Amino acid sequence: EAEVAQSPRYKITEKSQAVAFWCDPISGHATLYWYRQILGQGPELLVQFQDESVVDDSQLPKDRFSAERLKGVDSTLKIQPAELGDSAMYLCASSQDRGDEKLFFGSGTQLSVL
Amino acid sequence: QKEVEQDPGPLSVPEGAIVSLNCTYSNSAFQYFMWYRQYSRKGPELLMYTYSSGNKEDGRFTAQVDKSSKYISLFIRDSQPSDSATYLCAMSMGAQKLVFGQGTRLTINP
Repeated sequence: EAEVAQSPRYKITEKSQAVAFWCDPISGHATLYWYRQILGQGPELLVQFQDESVVDDSQLPKDRFSAERLKGVDSTLKIQPAELGDSAMYLCASSQDRGDEKLFFGSGTQLSVL
Repeated sequence: QKEVEQDPGPLSVPEGAIVSLNCTYSNSAFQYFMWYRQYSRKGPELLMYTYSSGNKEDGRFTAQVDKSSKYISLFIRDSQPSDSATYLCAMSMGAQKLVFGQGTRLTINP
């Protein structure tokens, strides 16, 4: 069964350092999402891509977060510099197309900022 | 006030019980309603998907949407210990970002 791949699974960093997360969506899925999930809360959308284009990054803290999907396949989310409040699970999801509401999630990257 | 409200629990029931999970929402434009199951340290997994109002059944799971009351429910019949997880409701207006509830942590006791 096709899955959304994410790496690393866990990341521990010190504040002010740079971190990067990688995501490979299900093959053929045009829409890719990055969500952040704080412990005890539901996921919140950070950025949505349609192919290589950003369609929604209204909730992305652009002073420190950046995301790219250069060839419209895999994607990288970067935080520089990391802050204590960034500790959370970062989830990548994909769907077949923008109008498809069925999202498939990866296992996430658990980030701890010390 | 959050767009989607969900009781975080925790909810603990004996094996075999019927479980009822609920969410309320404030945005009447929501058209798509979903339930996701999330095991510890895993990503959410789509469990049920419903468009507009009505009921949908899949095995031991039944999803209900009442748009007039802005209320959705998930029922789990003959609950099993393997059903122990956090259940997240989610909804959208179509081609828009999903808005998730806080999640309800459920434990089924053998």
